[in-house]
Amino acid sequence: GENVEQHPSTLSVQEGDSAVIKCTYSDSASNYFPWYKQELGKRPQLIIDIRSNVGEKKDQRIAVTLNKTAKHFSLHITETQPEDSAVYFCAAIDSGTYKYIFGTGTRLKVLA
Amino acid sequence: KAGVTQTPRYLIKTRGQQVTLSCSPISGHRSVSWYQQTPGQGLQFLFEYFSETQRNKGNFPGRFSGRQFSNSRSEMNVSTLELGDSALYLCASSLGGREREQYFGPGTRLTVT
Repeated sequence: GENVEQHPSTLSVQEGDSAVIKCTYSDSASNYFPWYKQELGKRPQLIIDIRSNVGEKKDQRIAVTLNKTAKHFSLHITETQPEDSAVYFCAAIDSGTYKYIFGTGTRLKVLA
Repeated sequence: KAGVTQTPRYLIKTRGQQVTLSCSPISGHRSVSWYQQTPGQGLQFLFEYFSETQRNKGNFPGRFSGRQFSNSRSEMNVSTLELGDSALYLCASSLGGREREQYFGPGTRLTVT
């Protein structure tokens, strides 16, 4: 079955700097990779996703890249702001069970 | 479209009691998944229902059970509550296919005393 590993578990950056969070997956047939942001006390929110027929996707300051050969995908946040501080989760869908497999989360702190 | 809703939002129960949580998915969504989240922890998968059938199950004891109705609304039941069951219980809905966006509800915060 699918397994997702996420690194780092915590990340502190200065406001205005970039942040990168990386995830690896094991199921080579997985073809959908979403990212969620969870602010303190709130629900996880889908912020961006990528499908396997695309190598990169951007939405303003957020981008996701996918390397299917290496089986890893990354979230890139540029020009970080204090409101980017949250826990970020990556996920992949197991191709056999259709089950969402989440990474363990990255706590991002943007220091003003 | 209305988002995923969960009721109740907060619940306080005593050890040994049982509890039922409810989740109403986005209209048209046939899949509902349940997750447990404890402070500082990730998303622990409980189970997923698709078209009234349990499609996936996590590694939780049999005290945790669920069901889904014909209108896709889902309930989760926890019997014989333990202190360790105190957590935020999140449900998420999706269309159910292989490349599906999943949206979370606000969660039910359960406190067991």
